[in-house]
Amino acid sequence: AQSVTQLGSHVSVSEGALVLLRCNYSSSVPPYLFWYVQYPNQGLQLLLKYTTGATLVKGINGFEAEFKKSETSFHLTKPSAHMSDAAEYFCAVSPPPGYIFGTGTRLKVLA
Amino acid sequence: GAGVSQSPRYKVAKRGQDVALRCDPISGHVSLFWYQQALGQGPEFLTYFQNEAQLDKSGLPSDRFFAERPEGSVSTLKIQRTQQEDSAVYLCASSLGGSGQGTGQFFGPGTRLTVL
Repeated sequence: AQSVTQLGSHVSVSEGALVLLRCNYSSSVPPYLFWYVQYPNQGLQLLLKYTTGATLVKGINGFEAEFKKSETSFHLTKPSAHMSDAAEYFCAVSPPPGYIFGTGTRLKVLA
Repeated sequence: GAGVSQSPRYKVAKRGQDVALRCDPISGHVSLFWYQQALGQGPEFLTYFQNEAQLDKSGLPSDRFFAERPEGSVSTLKIQRTQQEDSAVYLCASSLGGSGQGTGQFFGPGTRLTVL
């Protein structure tokens, strides 16, 4: 069975500081991995995805994530946080059909 | 619009009432998914359609939940005899083909259901 664990339900960083949101997964087959962002009262927006190939994946808004099979991790990073990054972030794993989501990490950016 | 739309955005129901939630996927998207997101939790898969065929309904929590997509585009999630534990945000997503592994699933804004 597949599962996703996001460490830290709340993360605070200063504006301009490194953002690191952690995601570990469990999957019995090669996984497809996703990060989504959710702003208040909005749907989920795809940030980036790992399917096959290069393990370092670049997404929108300056985010990137690295698939590490040996650590079963897919952590999300951004070198410099911006106030507009404040939102909730969800990691998800697939095999299909539905994604399995983590419980989310709420990112707060301090001025 | 170019995205997934859902209506209504908010629904308040009295316990025992039936509700119907609508999803308009992105035009041309073959696959459609419903998820339930409880407060403070991640979305949980409910059901999946490929065109008009419901290929997986393993996540539907009870037989009070029913989904359809009769013409392979718009979908409706119906909840009969609503209970307080049904209160959640119901998210719809679509993908161009298959399960959205390659392209990702595109989500609507959700319908927030509150059962009193």
